[in-house]
Amino acid sequence: DQQVKQNSPSLSVQEGRISILNCDYTNSMFDYFLWYKKYPAEGPTFLISISSIKDKNEDGRFTVFLNKSAKHLSLHIVPSQPGDSAVYFCAAEQGSQGNLIFGKGTKLSVKP
Amino acid sequence: GAGVSQSPSNKVTEKGKDVELRCDPISGHTALYWYRQSLGQGLEFLIYFQGNSAPDKSGLPSDRFSAERTGGSVSTLTIQRTQQEDSAVYLCASSLTGGGTKNIQYFGAGTRLSVL
Repeated sequence: DQQVKQNSPSLSVQEGRISILNCDYTNSMFDYFLWYKKYPAEGPTFLISISSIKDKNEDGRFTVFLNKSAKHLSLHIVPSQPGDSAVYFCAAEQGSQGNLIFGKGTKLSVKP
Repeated sequence: GAGVSQSPSNKVTEKGKDVELRCDPISGHTALYWYRQSLGQGLEFLIYFQGNSAPDKSGLPSDRFSAERTGGSVSTLTIQRTQQEDSAVYLCASSLTGGGTKNIQYFGAGTRLSVL
């Protein structure tokens, strides 16, 4: 039973355009959400996060939107660059639990 | 080093053998986590250490898996009598403090375990 779902295994975008990666969750107790980026043969690296009390967080080219009623979050990258090509994982944390619950990831390819 | 260090980076073993995977967290981080990523899957939580508290072992898939953290720093994940389904990338992460404090987890590069 997946609590965090990334339904698109892959996404291809042209350089300079917007990339939108989506994530859905089922557990309404999640109160913190994170996006990680992973290159091959490397560990995931933190990208951006959002608390459940907010609906938007922006950091440079990266913006995360949270829609609590729909249990949906999205990561927008604009403009997309070839170096953004990686696997993006959505993750959620619940209250005092230490571990993160991860989606299966979306592989983003940004074409020059 | 500045980041989370894991060793070995690759491990090939025969079915039935025991393996030990090591994680050296970021200095000063009190929380340490083990995850694994099987082919085509997301990261699956295994175990979580927070300071001197008893570890949260709720993610360990069987009693063949165990982990310890000595002196609040280095951690070792041990898999006994390895099976082919144990083949995965085992990732370690650390954070400044533990769950509920919204701390970012920083990951190592992982150990790729292949059980033949």
